Amino acid sequence: DAGVTQSPTHLIKTRGQQVTLRCSPKSGHDTVSWYQQALGQGPQFIFQYYEEEERQRGNFPDRFSGHQFPNYSSELNVNALLLGDSALYLCASSLNAPYEAFFGQGTRLTVV
Amino acid sequence: EDQVTQSPEALRLQEGESSSLNCSYTVSGLRGLFWYRQDPGKGPEFLFTLYSAGEEKEKERLKATLTKKESFLHITAPKPEDSATYLCAVLILGYGNKLVFGAGTILRVKS
Repeated sequence: DAGVTQSPTHLIKTRGQQVTLRCSPKSGHDTVSWYQQALGQGPQFIFQYYEEEERQRGNFPDRFSGHQFPNYSSELNVNALLLGDSALYLCASSLNAPYEAFFGQGTRLTVV
Repeated sequence: EDQVTQSPEALRLQEGESSSLNCSYTVSGLRGLFWYRQDPGKGPEFLFTLYSAGEEKEKERLKATLTKKESFLHITAPKPEDSATYLCAVLILGYGNKLVFGAGTILRVKS
């Protein structure tokens, strides 16, 4: 079992650009959540996808959007990048119930 | 507002020196409490889930306990390889499954 896989592992973008991050969930998992982790802080919830729909959203602007595909994989898109978007972006997969979230290794996004 | 506070922020231990990490929470409705271990530059690694007050779980040198307002992660006779950031998160009652994390405790174990 490959676990949760994310791509790419590192990314450097220029302010104002757009970025797409990808996540493949752990085998058998149908729910995908995205988190942003700034240096020295705990992860912050961005949104969650289940059955290809956004089920819950955290306090992030509309520049952050996502998608879940029929095979349960997911994408996180961020438009009009700001310097403050630099962070480790984490994908977590789980079953809908019981809920135990397993995280990928993350994508380190640097905005310059 | 749902809030999770971890203490201490950082902890230095000698190898074999047992201690505890604290996670206190103020949430609207708790469905579960999670402990994760995170190594630098990597994603959090799942350790435990606790669902009700009085529940305890153990894994090697780690033991997690839960009360109505806080959780403890006890580390017995730690080794240098236990050095990591330990994150606590609460699962909030409501539609969907949202984890609210604390800022973590950075643990350093010296030999």
